[in-house]
Amino acid sequence: KQEVTQIPAALSVPEGENLVLNCSFTDSAIYNLQWFRQDPGKGLTSLLLIQSSQREQTSGRLNASLDKSSGRSTLYIAASQPGDSATYLCAVGGGGADGLTFGKGTHLIIQP
Amino acid sequence: GAGVSQSPRYKVTKRGQDVALRCDPISGHVSLYWYRQALGQGPEFLTYFNYEAQQDKSGLPNDRFSAERPEGSISTLTIQRTEQRDSAMYRCASSLRGDEQFFGPGTRLTVL
Repeated sequence: KQEVTQIPAALSVPEGENLVLNCSFTDSAIYNLQWFRQDPGKGLTSLLLIQSSQREQTSGRLNASLDKSSGRSTLYIAASQPGDSATYLCAVGGGGADGLTFGKGTHLIIQP
Repeated sequence: GAGVSQSPRYKVTKRGQDVALRCDPISGHVSLYWYRQALGQGPEFLTYFNYEAQQDKSGLPNDRFSAERPEGSISTLTIQRTEQRDSAMYRCASSLRGDEQFFGPGTRLTVL
């Protein structure tokens, strides 16, 4: 059974810093990996999707990498802003249209 | 365009009652997923559909839970004889063909 772990569980940094969120998974036979953002009381917003054949994806100040063989992904946020404060969730897809397996998330606070 | 919508957004019911939660996916999306999210946790996969066919219901907790998508568009998740432990956020997602998943705002279910 796939298990996804996110470290750290919570992080608080001053505005402007670059930061890295970590995600690890136990079964390297994944189809894709998706990073989401969740704001309190709201839905999940998809940030980046990485296919299993890819090494990284970039969107604006966000960069996600994938090392499938070691079961790891990182989400890099450049020049953090208070608006980046949210919970970030990592999720892996097992194959085709299978459901995603989620980590518990990293609760991020960017201090103004 | 319109995203995934869910209704109702909030549902309070008494133990033993049946509830039906509705999901309207993004137009044209083939795959539809149901998840359940407890406070402080990532979403947990319940079931999914490709068109009207239910592909995997291994995540449904027990036989009180069922889902359908009769015309390959709108889906309903039904919980019979609700129990307090069923209280959670129920989330629906859709994808074009098993790739990036887009989530709706969720239905907060409270069983008294």
